[in-house]
Amino acid sequence: AQTVTQSQPEMSVQEAETVTLSCTYDTSESDYYLFWYKQPPSRQMILVIRQEAYKQQNATENRFSVNFQKAAKSFSLKISDSQLGDAAMYFCAYRRENSGGYQKVTFGTGTKLQVIP
Amino acid sequence: GAVVSQHPSRVICKSGTSVKIECRSLDFQATTMFWYRQFPKQSLMLMATSNEGSKATYEQGVEKDKFLINHASLTLSTLTVTSAHPEDSSFYICSASGGLETQYFGPGTRLLVL
Repeated sequence: AQTVTQSQPEMSVQEAETVTLSCTYDTSESDYYLFWYKQPPSRQMILVIRQEAYKQQNATENRFSVNFQKAAKSFSLKISDSQLGDAAMYFCAYRRENSGGYQKVTFGTGTKLQVIP
Repeated sequence: GAVVSQHPSRVICKSGTSVKIECRSLDFQATTMFWYRQFPKQSLMLMATSNEGSKATYEQGVEKDKFLINHASLTLSTLTVTSAHPEDSSFYICSASGGLETQYFGPGTRLLVL
């Protein structure tokens, strides 16, 4: 079974600084997708960034980028120029390749990010 | 991005009553919808997966007679918590996928059973 591990329950960063959230996963599959979701206090889950395992290039979305290390099964999220609105729970998630319509997503336990003004 | 709505956003009910929660994909057709439960300060726990027009697939430990799921159209899925009890109080979140790799989440429903 696939597992997703986020070893940092809480992190804090100074506004305008950079922070990296860690995520590791375990799978025997070669094709899969990885995601970072953000859950602010409103509890609405928001997709931050996604990475296809077959792509070597790390995904980026504005201030958000990932460091995808497939061999190490590591998928960290870097937030640059942190803003107060970035404060939220961040969940790392895994989904294997859509084979036969199977789309179950496995979530990590989350990292609570605090942004200090 | 794709928009998913949930209704109601908050519901309070008496023990023993049933509660229905709706999940709608507003601007895309959702071939698959998912229902999650989230306890405070915890991650999302998948309850069931539903494909339009077929029976839902429940995760181990989730009572299918307790949590009835219907996915009658490509834009609507419902979760009915039957004979709700205080231990069913939780935050319920749906997500929808149009066949692509990304799930889009609804805003969640907070259920409180008195």
